[in-house]
Amino acid sequence: DGGITQSPKYLFRKEGQNVTLSCEQNLNHDAMYWYRQDPGQGLRLIYYSQIVNDFQKGDIAEGYSVSREKKESFPLTVTSAQKNPTAFYLCASSSLRGLTDTQYFGPGTRLTVL
Amino acid sequence: DQQVKQNSPSLSVQEGRISILNCDYTNSMFDYFLWYKKYPAEGPTFLISISSIKDKNEDGRFTVFLNKSAKHLSLHIVPSQPGDSAVYFCAASAETGTASKLTFGTGTRLQVTL
Repeated sequence: DGGITQSPKYLFRKEGQNVTLSCEQNLNHDAMYWYRQDPGQGLRLIYYSQIVNDFQKGDIAEGYSVSREKKESFPLTVTSAQKNPTAFYLCASSSLRGLTDTQYFGPGTRLTVL
Repeated sequence: DQQVKQNSPSLSVQEGRISILNCDYTNSMFDYFLWYKKYPAEGPTFLISISSIKDKNEDGRFTVFLNKSAKHLSLHIVPSQPGDSAVYFCAASAETGTASKLTFGTGTRLQVTL
């Protein structure tokens, strides 16, 4: 079954701690993305990656870091520098082989900072 | 600056009738548009897309219309079903073929009543 998995589904963290959210895809997609959703708002892009060992900042990258050591994996670290980390985090992937770029999403991780 | 706007936060439609969800955009560089459906605590599910070279795209009960001169698109769902009750996001891209940075609207919550 091809798809995108994110773990864990729910995550709690104490203020001041870093935490890493996992994202794995077996769709053989080239590009991967991280978004954040806050209540009543749309999705906002944090980071994206077109190829292994390369990634670019999105609109709200401050306080976050990523790595792309494997094509299938794109973990996101929420650092203690992120001022408002409580949110719903969504990972997505897309193929870059066609003329259009439809992104497919994982189930999301809800992060709560206590 | 909200480049993609969904001005109706919610919409209620009777089962069997037509649901029309609207989306406006301001960036004339957008050339690819997508609609996603989202249930609470889940990732968005891709529904339908349209390229700027078309003005209509249809897939089963879902049809998307694009009016480039008005910078407006709409999603029609006919007939509406209770399972269609969800939040619908409009998204746009200006970088087709690359790791597109999707810009999302804030969503419209559709409630299909019996």
